[in-house]
Amino acid sequence: DAGVTQSPTHLIKTRGQHVTLRCSPISGHKSVSWYQQVLGQGPQFIFQYYEKEERGRGNFPDRFSARQFPNYSSELNVNALLLGDSALYLCASSGSLNQPQHFGDGTRLSIL
Amino acid sequence: EDQVTQSPEALRLQEGESSSLNCSYTVSGLRGLFWYRQDPGKGPEFLFTLYSAGEEKEKERLKATLTKKESFLHITAPKPEDSATYLCAVQPPSSSNTGKLIFGQGTTLQVKP
Repeated sequence: DAGVTQSPTHLIKTRGQHVTLRCSPISGHKSVSWYQQVLGQGPQFIFQYYEKEERGRGNFPDRFSARQFPNYSSELNVNALLLGDSALYLCASSGSLNQPQHFGDGTRLSIL
Repeated sequence: EDQVTQSPEALRLQEGESSSLNCSYTVSGLRGLFWYRQDPGKGPEFLFTLYSAGEEKEKERLKATLTKKESFLHITAPKPEDSATYLCAVQPPSSSNTGKLIFGQGTTLQVKP
């Protein structure tokens, strides 16, 4: 079975631009979470969606938004990009809120 | 504030030299503790879930244990392919409806042949 897939794998943007990252969960998984991982640190929670509803939001500015579609895939949107947004953005899926989360290989976002 | 701290930050071992990685947390009423392995340029790979003090899980050369305030990942007779960053994450009570995980900063393990 396919794991969590994320696209694109790499992305280069400039300050002030907008970006959309995409995630397809493992088949049958209804929960999708987004994390930001800065080099040398552990992932930080951004959002979680379950059954197409936002269930949790981390300490990130309103420039960050997300949504989940009827097929349980998800998008993460970031507006007005800052240099500090450069990071690896990870998507994880799970069958329910309390089951282990399985991660994709992320999107590497670089802001110039 | 819920916190997860991993030690050491980096660990170098010779092949076959057993050791342990530590994960301490300040969360009260833990809903779950998770261990992940992350290779360079890849996403974290799920290893274990522990739910209650005294619980142990094993997989090949890895064994994870849990007490009320910390978890250990024991690596027995490691091989070079065990080289990776090992991440610990906890699910606090406040995340019962969110599934939010709080991660430590990781321990980077290098096993030399």
